[in-house]
Amino acid sequence: QQQVKQSPQSLIVQKGGISIINCAYENTAFDYFPWYQQFPGKGPALLIAIRPDVSEKKEGRFTISFNKSAKQFSLHIMDSQPGDSATYFCAASFSGNTPLVFGKGTRLSVIA
Amino acid sequence: DTEVTQTPKHLVMGMTNKKSLKCEQHMGHRAMYWYKQKAKKPPELMFVYSYEKLSINESVPSRFSPECPNSSLLNLHLHALQPEDSALYLCASSQEGGLGETQYFGPGTRLLVL
Repeated sequence: QQQVKQSPQSLIVQKGGISIINCAYENTAFDYFPWYQQFPGKGPALLIAIRPDVSEKKEGRFTISFNKSAKQFSLHIMDSQPGDSATYFCAASFSGNTPLVFGKGTRLSVIA
Repeated sequence: DTEVTQTPKHLVMGMTNKKSLKCEQHMGHRAMYWYKQKAKKPPELMFVYSYEKLSINESVPSRFSPECPNSSLLNLHLHALQPEDSALYLCASSQEGGLGETQYFGPGTRLLVL
C-alpha cells in the first residue's frame, strides 16, 4: 500500500519529442505528488508537484496529469531537450510528518 | 537561497574507521533528513529530525548515528561500516516536515567503504 509504481524504467526520446513517465499508487491517503529530477552526481531537485484537487498542473515544458479515480499520475515533458536527460522520480506523501515514498525512477535520454 | 550543502563530497573509509558527514542549510527550515541512495535506485529515508529532535528512524543500523546540533546543522556519524554501506548519502531539508512540503536536497556525499 505504501508503494508508488513508476514506468518505464528507461526512456529514449528524440529531441523535440514528448517524454511521458507514469506512476501509480494504491494508498488513497496520499495527497501530495511531487516529481524530482536528478542529474548524475547531484541530489534530486523538485521539478513540479500536484495535489489531488487538480487534474493538471503545467510549469513551462513540464506538465503533471493526475487521475484520482485511477490512482495514477504522469509527467509529460514537451519539446524534450538533451539537457533534460536525467533520472526522474515520482513520489507521494500524506499528512503529518511522513516521509516521501519514491518510485523506482526513470532514466530519460534525449537524443539529437 | 535554497541551498543545502554537504561535506565532504567524497569519502573513502575502512571498516574500522570513524567518520562524520556534515549537512548545513540556512533556509530557516526546521526539518532535516538523511537519505541513502544506491546506484540506479531511489533515495531511501534513514532519519528525520524535526525541530532538532529525531522524529523518524527507519530501522537504521546503529553503526549510523545522526546528530542535530542546531536547526541549521545535521551530522551523520559513521562507525564500523560494511562495504554494502557504500552509497550516495543525501541530506535534505524542508520547512517543518509536514504535509506537502518541498524537500530540498544537497548534492550528497559519495561514500566508499573498503
